[in-house]
Amino acid sequence: SAVISQKPSRDICQRGTSLTIQCQVDSQVTMMFWYRQQPGQSLTLIATANQGSEATYESGFVIDKFPISRPNLTFSTLTVSNMSPEDSSIYLCSVGVSGQFFGPGTRLTVL
Amino acid sequence: GESVGLHLPTLSVQEGDNSIINCAYSNSASDYFIWYKQESGKGPQFIIDIRSNMDKRQGQRVTVLLNKTVKHLSLQIAATQPGDSAVYFCAESTNDYKLSFGAGTTVTVRA
Repeated sequence: SAVISQKPSRDICQRGTSLTIQCQVDSQVTMMFWYRQQPGQSLTLIATANQGSEATYESGFVIDKFPISRPNLTFSTLTVSNMSPEDSSIYLCSVGVSGQFFGPGTRLTVL
Repeated sequence: GESVGLHLPTLSVQEGDNSIINCAYSNSASDYFIWYKQESGKGPQFIIDIRSNMDKRQGQRVTVLLNKTVKHLSLQIAATQPGDSAVYFCAESTNDYKLSFGAGTTVTVRA
């Protein structure tokens, strides 16, 4: 399976600011997925990011709040915009045909 | 909408015993299932998967059973070890696209 890294691994941010999370894969992949895992909860898919096209967002998630870039086949970013404490979560990227292989996650705390 | 869920939120097991973690799914069109292990502070780790054309699949110390008739998935861990303590998630997808996750079961291994 691919080796996936995320930056930052964790961050503490102030309300109203934005944070961009990076996901790097060691091989070219067609699809990348972004998930959110709220404290003590399961994983929820935010969006699917394909290179060369706009991301496809799941119900309840919008591009203005979670803009995604996918400039090439090994890299993607997720921005959490205008953050509030409710955005405190672990954000994970995944790859694979079904997105079955996950990165280590970015633990975000919003004060 | 349809979802994947787990029967029990917690499981306590004696070291050396076998563990069984259960999962119910409601989407009859699901054709691919995965079990994940998530340790504290880490991303989900792929354990084992199974496709709908199979009833059973074995890995190292783990077995996944799929009962399509009652839409039930289970993960059996043989000779449970302290390192098996974690949260376990089942996930399902249809046509190899996007994963839906269950709620998770916390497994605690007693020494």
